[in-house]
Amino acid sequence: GDSVTQMEGPVTLSEEAFLTINCTYTATGYPSLFWYVQYPGEGLQLLLKATKADDKGSNKGFEATYRKETTSFHLEKGSVQVSDSAVYFCALSFRYQLIWGAGTKLIIKP
Amino acid sequence: GAVVSQHPSWVICKSGTSVKIECRSLDFQATTMFWYRQFPKQSLMLMATSNEGSKATYEQGVEKDKFLINHASLTLSTLTVTSAHPEDSSFYICSARPPSLPSGRYNEQFFGPGTRLTVL
Repeated sequence: GDSVTQMEGPVTLSEEAFLTINCTYTATGYPSLFWYVQYPGEGLQLLLKATKADDKGSNKGFEATYRKETTSFHLEKGSVQVSDSAVYFCALSFRYQLIWGAGTKLIIKP
Repeated sequence: GAVVSQHPSWVICKSGTSVKIECRSLDFQATTMFWYRQFPKQSLMLMATSNEGSKATYEQGVEKDKFLINHASLTLSTLTVTSAHPEDSSFYICSARPPSLPSGRYNEQFFGPGTRLTVL
């Protein structure tokens, strides 16, 4: 069945470092891909998404490109801030349901 | 827009009691709501999908009689954990989906902040 695999955390970086969180998927058909973020004490928020191959989603300095050839949707940010500390989830859509990765906790130190 | 609330945000109960968790869409009507369970350091597990006015569809392995879901209105769904036991302790999250979204957003869901349940 469809599944999402993302890198285990926690990922600890210093402020202004470059961030990559890997996400790969297996799916039949052509799913949409999402990154959600969960800040401490808050609900899940949609960070960005891509609906077809080669689409690039971007928001708040984060980017991810839908790579069909490598079945990947890696999350990147050029310069992280302390406020980016959160748990990041990669997900794909299957009809109206979402299939989730395990989440990656990101810790940014000043 | 698209705000979803959950109540309570945390609850502690004794083993054997029942606990009700509410999920409300505050500024839109949600024809479909989803209930998830999140274990520590693990992903979200979809428990059930509820459509307003009809019975919920439970995922394989989720006990219908233990996790009662009611979606009586377009803005409210409830999850009742019956005869709770310590193994039911978890973080429960709901999400809601409006009946129509612009093209390209049809599969978006809007999430509540979650409810932390601890069963002693």
